[in-house]
Amino acid sequence: DAGITQSPRHKVTETGTPVTLRCHQTENHRYMYWYRQDPGHGLRLIHYSYGVKDTDKGEVSDGYSVSRSKTEDFLLTLESATSSQTSVYFCASHGGVTEAFFGQGTRLTVV
Amino acid sequence: EDKVVQSPLSLVVHEGDTVTLNCSYEVTNFRSLLWYKQEKKAPTFLFMLTSSGIEKKSGRLSSILDKKELSSILNITATQTGDSAIYLCAVGGRWGGSNYKLTFGKGTLLTVNP
Repeated sequence: DAGITQSPRHKVTETGTPVTLRCHQTENHRYMYWYRQDPGHGLRLIHYSYGVKDTDKGEVSDGYSVSRSKTEDFLLTLESATSSQTSVYFCASHGGVTEAFFGQGTRLTVV
Repeated sequence: EDKVVQSPLSLVVHEGDTVTLNCSYEVTNFRSLLWYKQEKKAPTFLFMLTSSGIEKKSGRLSSILDKKELSSILNITATQTGDSAIYLCAVGGRWGGSNYKLTFGKGTLLTVNP
């Protein structure tokens, strides 16, 4: 399996606090993604990165920012968490025209 | 904007049935179509189809790419309860010049009853 890990795996936070989720891959993959998954919605793209410092917004990017200062790390920040951001977050990466590998997911609860 | 549509959204069958899941797409500069299976955790890769490999088979699962119709099907024969999962289709295309981007569909929820 590709080396892609997410941290933390579970988090409970309070409304209004900032939260950062980390995705780390050891495969030197160029492309990385952050998704959220909610019942009935499938995977929804939050942000996409096509290289260091190169990112693009996805369909549900409001309230989220990302940074990619190194190939291996893609950080997702909820600037001020809201209850609507309670979800399961997945990170994925791939090197080119290949399959994407997924992290184990982060279950985030905003109370 | 790239678009991937899967149908049906959900499906309930009995063990032993054969099912066909559909994926259609509108993608700029198509390069690949991928199928994933998701149980109660992260999606796992099943197949990748490209212009040079339009059919794939693994055990009871098989998939075909129809580039003319811009679609793909995933067939599962002799279904088992362990096939119950969300099946995701993703399509890769050229994006922003020389980049490549995957776009996922919303998935098909398959439930196989004993």
